[in-house]
Amino acid sequence: GAGVSQSPSNKVTEKGKDVELRCDPISGHTALYWYRQRLGQGLEFLIYFQGNSAPDKSGLPSDRFSAERTGESVSTLTIQRTQQEDSAVYLCASSRGGAENEQFFGPGTRLTVL
Amino acid sequence: DQQVKQNSPSLSVQEGRISILNCDYTNSMFDYFLWYKKYPAEGPTFLISISSIKDKNEDGRFTVFLNKSAKHLSLHIVPSQPGDSAVYFCAASGIQGAQKLVFGQGTRLTINP
Repeated sequence: GAGVSQSPSNKVTEKGKDVELRCDPISGHTALYWYRQRLGQGLEFLIYFQGNSAPDKSGLPSDRFSAERTGESVSTLTIQRTQQEDSAVYLCASSRGGAENEQFFGPGTRLTVL
Repeated sequence: DQQVKQNSPSLSVQEGRISILNCDYTNSMFDYFLWYKKYPAEGPTFLISISSIKDKNEDGRFTVFLNKSAKHLSLHIVPSQPGDSAVYFCAASGIQGAQKLVFGQGTRLTINP
């Protein structure tokens, strides 16, 4: 079956522009997560969606970052007025939900802000 | 503050020998731990996990050990194979039921033929 897919795979933008990143989770997975990985660092949690519950936004670094999810399908992560420090690989993961379910990751979107 | 730490940024092991990757955590409220493997330009791939009620979990060549009193876990790979060369991340979850993963910085494992 299809895994988690993300688009675009690479995005280069100019400082101050808005960008939108897309994630298609595994069908049937109720939980969806966004992480980012800066160069040489571990993965950093951004936001988590679980079914119809309010999302856990505790990892979003500033109000320039927002995310939406349509039902239990596609999610978009939007970064407004991008800054150079936003350059990173943005990774999406999905799972069946629950405390001990492994998260399956997509290949990521590499964002470069010039 | 770094709640999950992998203090070795890199590790080099000869093919056929045992690879031991280490991870320390600071928050005793974590109750679920995972190891992921990552190749360049790919997302992390789940390897093995362990619940805090256990101290060992084994899956083929991979074994994870958990020492809760020391807040330490390790991943053993034996025998090591060239295809095991990748970056390995440990991750933890479960504080107050939260499912988000807190990751270490990763250890780059190189298996030498």
